[in-house]
Amino acid sequence: YELTQPPSVSVSPGQTARITCSGDALANQYAYWYQQKPGQAPVLVIHNDSKRPSGIPERFSGSTSGTTVTLTISGVQAEDEADYYCQSADSSGTFVFGTGTKVSVL
Amino acid sequence: VQLVQSGAEVKQPGASVKVSCKASGYTFITYGISWVRQAPGQGLEWMAYISAYNGNTHFAQKFQSRVFMTTDTSTGTAYMELRSLTSDDTAVYYCARDRRDYVDVWGQGTLVTVSS
Repeated sequence: YELTQPPSVSVSPGQTARITCSGDALANQYAYWYQQKPGQAPVLVIHNDSKRPSGIPERFSGSTSGTTVTLTISGVQAEDEADYYCQSADSSGTFVFGTGTKVSVL
Repeated sequence: VQLVQSGAEVKQPGASVKVSCKASGYTFITYGISWVRQAPGQGLEWMAYISAYNGNTHFAQKFQSRVFMTTDTSTGTAYMELRSLTSDDTAVYYCARDRRDYVDVWGQGTLVTVSS
């Protein structure tokens, strides 16, 4: 199955960025979000649709509605400029990553 | 908690590459290891999973015949071997601690370049 994300999102500092991820499997499976900065390994920022791992700022939040999940970054900071990937898993344990969204902070 | 991977590799087409991933800071057999790769300028691609507890494996269909994984519980190290390399396998390969449906800790990545 596929997870579709917008290629890019642009936002001004202090504003809110919303990144969507759509796929049929999301109606029944949890979604996860990773942040990847250039030249670095990805970092988990949201698990189980909306839970924030320890150490992730509160401005990162996740939500779900039907077959679409959304990562919201409230009060965007320059350091949030990165690529963001959603991910889910089917019942057999096969992972699928979304197509990725580049967040640019203007 | 940390995963430290082996260094960059340059391989010829048709060869194999073996990447190691040494875990520390947690009980190795409690979690599995997933392998994910990223071709230059491209997105993330999940390849396969191995249980550090019992060695059970699960593969993305496209890698099922070319990826071989093992773990050494005495040293807390996972290994991934990719065989029959082509230029399309040029990528950064990541190991990551698997929490069943997601991964929560990533290695630093290993660049594998396939070139004649």
